[in-house]
Amino acid sequence: DAGVIQSPRHEVTEMGQEVTLRCKPISGHDYLFWYRQTMMRGLELLIYFNNNVPIDDSGMPEDRFSAKMPNASFSTLKIQPSEPRDSAVYFCASSSTPGGTDTQYFGPGTRLTVL
Amino acid sequence: GDSVTQMEGPVTLSEEAFLTINCTYTATGYPSLFWYVQYPGEGLQLLLKATKADDKGSNKGFEATYRKETTSFHLEKGSVQVSDSAVYFCALRGGSNYQLIWGAGTKLIIKP
Repeated sequence: DAGVIQSPRHEVTEMGQEVTLRCKPISGHDYLFWYRQTMMRGLELLIYFNNNVPIDDSGMPEDRFSAKMPNASFSTLKIQPSEPRDSAVYFCASSSTPGGTDTQYFGPGTRLTVL
Repeated sequence: GDSVTQMEGPVTLSEEAFLTINCTYTATGYPSLFWYVQYPGEGLQLLLKATKADDKGSNKGFEATYRKETTSFHLEKGSVQVSDSAVYFCALRGGSNYQLIWGAGTKLIIKP
């Protein structure tokens, strides 16, 4: 298995632009998580899905952030408009039941820089 | 609510030294406990886990014992290598909540 795939690996954009991050979970996994990692705030859970349905989006910082999972093999995290304080590494992770969410498999991350 | 507290880093050791990274938790019920490791430029990966009191998780020479009486899950390794340099995260999952609660991470630096 190729593992969790994220694209792009690096994104540099200017303030105000729309940014879309993409994730392909491991085939057969029914949970998908989006995290943000910064030096200041550490690892933060933004949102997670179960069977393509958003379960908890309480970690989404504000309305500029949105996430979708149109099917079991693809999810997007969109920031519109982007701001410099959104600069971070964004990770996608997936896991499966009945193992539950114990073992989350992380992608390599997308490093976002907003100028 | 549930929380995880890890010792602050960075922790700097010489090769072959003994390692302990402290982790304590606050949770209701009987959480499962985990250690994840993040190597430079990579995502996190599960290192070991324990699902009930007195369980010992182990992997790659690392060990951690689930101590309910002290609400701790300290990570240990008898002889560290330069390749162990990474950031280590302690986490818990409690009850029916499918989220992991993460510690802040501890950066480990091993010098040859």
